[in-house]
Amino acid sequence: GAGVSQSPSNKVTEKGKDVELRCDPISGHTALYWYRQSLGQGLEFLIYFQGNSAPDKSGLPSDRFSAERTGGSVSTLTIQRTQQEDSAVYLCASSSGQGGEKLFFGSGTQLSVL
Amino acid sequence: AQSVTQLGSHVSVSEGALVLLRCNYSSSVPPYLFWYVQYPNQGLQLLLKYTTGATLVKGINGFEAEFKKSETSFHLTKPSAHMSDAAEYFCAVSNTGGFKTIFGAGTRLFVKA
Repeated sequence: GAGVSQSPSNKVTEKGKDVELRCDPISGHTALYWYRQSLGQGLEFLIYFQGNSAPDKSGLPSDRFSAERTGGSVSTLTIQRTQQEDSAVYLCASSSGQGGEKLFFGSGTQLSVL
Repeated sequence: AQSVTQLGSHVSVSEGALVLLRCNYSSSVPPYLFWYVQYPNQGLQLLLKYTTGATLVKGINGFEAEFKKSETSFHLTKPSAHMSDAAEYFCAVSNTGGFKTIFGAGTRLFVKA
């Protein structure tokens, strides 16, 4: 596709529900990232996929968070039993997977947990 | 492990004044360094990057940054601020090892008329 696509753009959920956020990276990009952007917290790294390598999950804040990437393309970030502190903008980015390359960001999913 | 520290969550300058946004990094291997900008209600876009070679790098909209290994810094500057520069700026580091890109907490730039 022309750019990184994320859906939904906005998600409102109730505390305790599960949510799934989707990211469609740029075609051919082997690297895919998920970040979380909260007020005053900058861009918090969550997880990184690179080709067929095992994902780097070192940024996931708890075991309620998980992500998968199917067929080396589309990725889904799942948050189970959502909490109010999960409210944030979740950003996906992709890149060609070469060192030093820039990241292309999606528009993000604004998650609000009531 | 690698990390990025941006000094000052908010910076305010007058239009026409020098812009200086500070970034220090930590990396156990030679770093790749980036500045990204996020304009209000827009996505992040790359301003400039350092990989190898010349330590002074020029980016879009008149911004530049200098890689100083001895100071582990990559400060962003612009000689004369414009109102349109008001945005949030993020410094980021990657490296030749794992390529994972880590961002700083961001600095919000305000430009006063």
